[in-house]
Amino acid sequence: KQEVTQIPAALSVPEGENLVLNCSFTDSAIYNLQWFRQDPGKGLTSLLLIQSSQREQTSGRLNASLDKSSGRSTLYIAASQPGDSATYLCAVLDQTGANNLFFGTGTRLTVIP
Amino acid sequence: KAGVTQTPRYLIKTRGQQVTLSCSPISGHRSVSWYQQTPGQGLQFLFEYFSETQRNKGNFPGRFSGRQFSNSRSEMNVSTLELGDSALYLCASSPQTGGVTEAFFGQGTRLTVV
Repeated sequence: KQEVTQIPAALSVPEGENLVLNCSFTDSAIYNLQWFRQDPGKGLTSLLLIQSSQREQTSGRLNASLDKSSGRSTLYIAASQPGDSATYLCAVLDQTGANNLFFGTGTRLTVIP
Repeated sequence: KAGVTQTPRYLIKTRGQQVTLSCSPISGHRSVSWYQQTPGQGLQFLFEYFSETQRNKGNFPGRFSGRQFSNSRSEMNVSTLELGDSALYLCASSPQTGGVTEAFFGQGTRLTVV
């Protein structure tokens, strides 16, 4: 069974810093990997989707990379802002033929003004 | 383009009751998946519906069921509620199933069982 791990569980940084969030998964037979953001008590906002054939995706200050063979992904956030404070979740869609996302437990990010 | 809509946003139910949650996917999307989020277990997959058929089911008891209508709207039902069913229930909408599609989530329904 696919298992997804995110490190660290929580991270606190001063505004303006660049930071990296890590995600690892145990089964490399995936279709894609998505990074999501979740604000307290709210739903998930999709940030980036990386297909299994891709190495990275960029959107604004966010860059996500994927190394499928080693079962790892990173989310890089440049020039962090207080509005980036949220929980970041990664999820993989494996090749079972259905839309069953396996989620990590998330990294809770706090950006201090 | 409207996003994924879940109703109601909040629910309080008593143990033993049943509850029905609703999810309207993005227009044109045919796949709806349901997830349960709790502080202890994180996000766990409940089931997926595609073209009115259940495609896959997670490791949940039979008290959890769902269905999908011809307009792709989906409902999830939980019978004989237990305290442990208190959670944020999220649904995800995708254009297709089992492939390279992106999932878009609703705001969730917060269920509290007392």
